[in-house]
Amino acid sequence: DGGITQSPKYLFRKEGQNVTLSCEQNLNHDAMYWYRQDPGQGLRLIYYSQIVNDFQKGDIAEGYSVSREKKESFPLTVTSAQKNPTAFYLCASSAGVNTEAFFGQGTRLTVV
Amino acid sequence: RKEVEQDPGPFNVPEGATVAFNCTYSNSASQSFFWYRQDCRKEPKLLMSVYSSGNEDGRFTAQLNRASQYISLLIRDSKLSDSATYLCVVTVSGNTGKLIFGQGTTLQVKP
Repeated sequence: DGGITQSPKYLFRKEGQNVTLSCEQNLNHDAMYWYRQDPGQGLRLIYYSQIVNDFQKGDIAEGYSVSREKKESFPLTVTSAQKNPTAFYLCASSAGVNTEAFFGQGTRLTVV
Repeated sequence: RKEVEQDPGPFNVPEGATVAFNCTYSNSASQSFFWYRQDCRKEPKLLMSVYSSGNEDGRFTAQLNRASQYISLLIRDSKLSDSATYLCVVTVSGNTGKLIFGQGTTLQVKP
């Protein structure tokens, strides 16, 4: 089936550890995005990428890093520099600029 | 001022009611507009795109007013299953088309 796959669905980490969230899509989409959602809040953009080997910071990039080595993959690393990493992380992809995006099922990260 | 603003609600309506949500955006260069639906603890899913001429999909009607910089979503004959958070999304020309989300409007349809 075509779609976006995020893994794992739930992730627990100790404070101070880096953690990488996976996002893979087989929709042949050029653009990919990472958003963060906190309880009762909207989605905030962390990073986005319009083409392979290129990405831009979103509104809350501090404490996060990404790579886009392959069109279908856009992993997000939550580093120890991120002050409040516990959140719901959503990956999305779209065919191109100004087109609708489709989301993966999300990863709930809890840092203790 | 937020780039995309929505009344968070919640909107509590009885089954069968008609309910309307508005969303305002600040950037006049906004290019594309969408409504997404998000169920509790789930990912957002595209409900409909919003076109300049307005568009309808069954019980759902979306309108765009570029002059006043707002979009609307009308839901007729509300069902219990319509209970969710509705997210307004815009893209901005010249901003590499990144998607900007409103904080969402929560709808609760009661029996």
